Amino acid sequence: EPEVTQTPSHQVTQMGQEVILRCVPISNHLYFYWYRQILGQKVEFLVSFYNNEISEKSEIFDDQFSVERPDGSNFTLKIRSTKLEDSAMYFCASSEGVGQGPGVLFFGSGTQLSVL
Amino acid sequence: AQSVTQLGSHVSVSEGALVLLRCNYSSSVPPYLFWYVQYPNQGLQLLLKYTSAATLVKGINGFEAEFKKSETSFHLTKPSAHMSDAAEYFCAVDSSYKLIFGSGTRLLVRP
Repeated sequence: EPEVTQTPSHQVTQMGQEVILRCVPISNHLYFYWYRQILGQKVEFLVSFYNNEISEKSEIFDDQFSVERPDGSNFTLKIRSTKLEDSAMYFCASSEGVGQGPGVLFFGSGTQLSVL
Repeated sequence: AQSVTQLGSHVSVSEGALVLLRCNYSSSVPPYLFWYVQYPNQGLQLLLKYTSAATLVKGINGFEAEFKKSETSFHLTKPSAHMSDAAEYFCAVDSSYKLIFGSGTRLLVRP
């Protein structure tokens, strides 16, 4: 069964460092997402990406964040200068879009980011 | 703005007992509603979805949810809990092809 894969599963970094979280969405999917979940809190939307551009982003997704689909398979989230409060589980998700209807997202297992 | 509220951060039931996880929504338009489940160390997985075709929606693993417009609710139920149902459950609403999640309910199943 196709799945969304994320690497690494754990990432530890020093405050102020850049990190890149990587995702391989399901191959025929058209919409890509990043969500995050701070420990003990709700899953929060960060950004959606469609047709090689950001379609929507939340208030959390400030200038320190960027996304890229550098080739036909990878989807990355970059945090330029990490802060302590960026520590969270980051989930990548993809969706077929119109075909499956809204809201049917397939999630990866997440990358646990720890900023020290 | 669309949102969902989940009542109860933790629900504990005995194996074989009824599971009831509560979700209320707020939406200015007919909503698309979802329940997702997160097992330990895994990503979120779609359990079921409501897209206005039928008010009672059946999902995987014996779960179902009923859309009640009069109560703005979309509660998740399962007649008989199994140990393997222990997980975190998230109610969500679609908002322009992105999901807005509730705060989650952790289901504990006692032997």
